[in-house]
Amino acid sequence: EAGVTQFPSHSVIEKGQTVTLRCDPISGHDNLYWYRRVMGKEIKFLLHFVKESKQDESGMPNNRFLAERTGGTYSTLKVQPAELEDSGVYFCASSHPLRDTEAFFGQGTRLTVV
Amino acid sequence: AQSVTQPDIHITVSEGASLELRCNYSYGATPYLFWYVQSPGQGLQLLLKYFSGDTLVQGIKGFEAEFKRSQSSFNLRKPSVHWSDAAEYFCAVGAYPFEGGGADGLTFGKGTHLIIQP
Repeated sequence: EAGVTQFPSHSVIEKGQTVTLRCDPISGHDNLYWYRRVMGKEIKFLLHFVKESKQDESGMPNNRFLAERTGGTYSTLKVQPAELEDSGVYFCASSHPLRDTEAFFGQGTRLTVV
Repeated sequence: AQSVTQPDIHITVSEGASLELRCNYSYGATPYLFWYVQSPGQGLQLLLKYFSGDTLVQGIKGFEAEFKRSQSSFNLRKPSVHWSDAAEYFCAVGAYPFEGGGADGLTFGKGTHLIIQP
């Protein structure tokens, strides 16, 4: 079974540019989560999808961040325009709603805004 | 609001020695507790989890953790560390997954870097 896959693994962009991160969850996992770790800080929850619906987006930092999950499969997280403080590692996780009691994480995307 | 405290940012242990990583949590409801590990270049891997039952839980790679409600702690232990255990370890707390909806987002601690000395 393939794990959670995130693209790209690294991204370096200039302040003001747009970046789109992608997450492919484990097949059949309705739950998809985005987390972010800013350097030196804890991993923070951003939002939670159940299929294509946003279950909880209380952790999204501001309206420069837009997450989508069209069709309930893969998800994208767009940052537009990117700011220096957006630098960090963005993790995606997925879980099956009935079978799994924990989420499986991807390897993360390291975003550097310069 | 829930929070997780991992008081040790770095811990250095000699190979073969025992290990204990500390975790304290603050959570309003019955907590669902996790330990994850992240090795360099890898994603977060679940070591173990606790919701109810026996307060001493066994995980992968020879790790165990003990839930102590009175101390709001969930410390991770290993009797003898190996060089391959060098990684960053994260404690996390969340609500127990509700049927049909899955788990809510987790609250993580800042992590503890484990350094293994030969």
